[in-house]
Amino acid sequence: SQTIHQWPATLVQPVGSPLSLECTVEGTSNPNLYWYRQAAGRGLQLLFYSVGIGQISSEVPQNLSASRPQDRQFILSSKKLLLSDSGFYLCAWSVLGTSNTEAFFGQGTRLTVV
Amino acid sequence: QKEVEQNSGPLSVPEGAIASLNCTYSDRGSQSFFWYRQYSGKSPELIMFIYSNGDKEDGRFTAQLNKASQYVSLLIRDSQPSDSATYLCAVWSYQLIWGAGTKLIIKP
Repeated sequence: SQTIHQWPATLVQPVGSPLSLECTVEGTSNPNLYWYRQAAGRGLQLLFYSVGIGQISSEVPQNLSASRPQDRQFILSSKKLLLSDSGFYLCAWSVLGTSNTEAFFGQGTRLTVV
Repeated sequence: QKEVEQNSGPLSVPEGAIASLNCTYSDRGSQSFFWYRQYSGKSPELIMFIYSNGDKEDGRFTAQLNKASQYVSLLIRDSQPSDSATYLCAVWSYQLIWGAGTKLIIKP
């Protein structure tokens, strides 16, 4: 069966510090991978998605970046965090090559920038 | 801009009653529709999906789709306190478009 791992679960970082969140998927090959952010009481904002190694699409311009160095690894990064980067970050995967497919989520990372 | 709209709530329902959650979408070409449940501080989990007009039942949950009116709903029968959560509607339109969610509170 497929599983998705995301870590860390919580993170408190000072303004201006770097960020690296990692997500890995097991039990499937060539998944679509996604990074979402959810502000308190809000819906899901798609930040990045990837259909393959090295292929990253950005939905929202900001000081975050994403990379996919391996087929089942997706990394969210920032060189300098802002207060506005606080939120709940979710990694998700879906089956590549099919439309109409649901997304499966990791446990999420609660990021607080102080 | 493709949009998915949900009433943010909170929707308060007595235990044992039917909870009705609604969602409207803007892209008439949308083909798949998903309901996720999200407990506070947790990630969303898929409850149901529906592709065709009409009703789809799974246990206490029923999804209803009306493509002509561009709405999809979720009914929860015999509501339990454990159903208290935020329910997210997602619509596939070349990517998943998400509603902001409806907070449901089941009162014992």
